Amino acid sequence: DTGVSQNPRHKITKRGQNVTFRCDPISEHNRLYWYRQTLGQGPEFLTYFQNEAQLEKSRLLSDRFSAERPKGSFSTLEIQRTEQGDSAMYLCASSTGTSGGADTQYFGPGTRLTVL
Amino acid sequence: AQSVTQLGSHVSVSEGALVLLRCNYSSSVPPYLFWYVQYPNQGLQLLLKYTTGATLVKGINGFEAEFKKSETSFHLTKPSAHMSDAAEYFCAVSPTKGGGFKTIFGAGTRLFVKA
Repeated sequence: DTGVSQNPRHKITKRGQNVTFRCDPISEHNRLYWYRQTLGQGPEFLTYFQNEAQLEKSRLLSDRFSAERPKGSFSTLEIQRTEQGDSAMYLCASSTGTSGGADTQYFGPGTRLTVL
Repeated sequence: AQSVTQLGSHVSVSEGALVLLRCNYSSSVPPYLFWYVQYPNQGLQLLLKYTTGATLVKGINGFEAEFKKSETSFHLTKPSAHMSDAAEYFCAVSPTKGGGFKTIFGAGTRLFVKA
């Protein structure tokens, strides 16, 4: 396994711009999760996919946020009309999906977003 | 709704001393319980988890945690701290029944190890 990868690692953008992040999970992992982490806090759940189906979305995920996993492999997280409050580390994780809620999640290094 | 409370945002111990990081959860039914560690500039990785069975769970790097249902706790311990244990530690829960697979993390405890 090559691990979970995320691109870009850093993104600086101006308020109002759109940004897109990519996550490549461990191959053959069926489940993929997105989290947001701000300074001094733990990861906050945003959404997760079982294969290509998006099964749950947090209320934190406003209409400006959209996530896709078109072929059940990589996933993208798009933020439209970014706001300064969107500045955070965006984490992606994947798991086999074979143990229900007991799955071990494998995390990527994250994408740090700074909105000026 | 589930929640996780980690007591102490920062814990400092001397090398060789006992490490104790506290975690309490709130859930209508006992959840699955996890401890993850985040080393500087690295992604989170699993230390250990409790799913079922024996309530004392052993993890990597000499860490262990005990699930105490009556106290709704899952404290993390290590008998002797090493400098390499300096990191941020997160307790997390996920539902065992219903509620999908949404994982809730605590705010984290940063462990400092003094020489």
